[in-house]
Amino acid sequence: SAVISQKPSRDICQRGTSLTIQCQVDSQVTMMFWYRQQPGQSLTLIATANQGSEATYESGFVIDKFPISRPNLTFSTLTVSNMSPEDSSIYLCSVDRPGQDYGETQYFGPGTRLLVL
Amino acid sequence: LAKTTQPISMDSYEGQEVNITCSHNNIATNDYITWYQQFPSQGPRFIIQGYKTKVTNEVASLFIPADRKSSTLSLPRVSLSDTAVYYCLVNYGQNFVFGPGTRLSVLP
Repeated sequence: SAVISQKPSRDICQRGTSLTIQCQVDSQVTMMFWYRQQPGQSLTLIATANQGSEATYESGFVIDKFPISRPNLTFSTLTVSNMSPEDSSIYLCSVDRPGQDYGETQYFGPGTRLLVL
Repeated sequence: LAKTTQPISMDSYEGQEVNITCSHNNIATNDYITWYQQFPSQGPRFIIQGYKTKVTNEVASLFIPADRKSSTLSLPRVSLSDTAVYYCLVNYGQNFVFGPGTRLSVLP
């Protein structure tokens, strides 16, 4: 598995401001992922972040709104820019690790709970 | 377009076996399914992963029928602490699609 931490664990922000969320992993990983989980909903992938290259964004998510950094193999940040109340969600990072027998398994951080007023 | 569905909720009693099914279309032979458990205010926790007929670990079993249009998570002898939301995650090649989640309530 993997030990993943996120900072902050929660925050309350004013609309129009930006928040940067940090994700730290206990060992080097190639791929890191950022998800959004709106209240009572499932997880939606925002983007995939590989070290040394630009993040790949899913449909409906753009770099200007959710810039991502991946400076090394154990760390990534997601910024939620120019926030509005609709951005109130839980933001989760995850990492890929080899599965027990095959493929890859994603392990998740504890999440950052964001409330925008 | 990849789509994954699950029952919205299920109720069970302590000590019973619970089976939660995830339906998914267009899954290839090497695509695999992962199940997660999520408690309030926590990130999803890995339960089990598989791509073939049956996989079992110390906490659950995963069954995938031959047509690969669904998969079933089996939790033996649930306890109150198993009350949570359970998500399937289907890997369609390089794409990941989470199911909508099943809220399991275990009653005494």
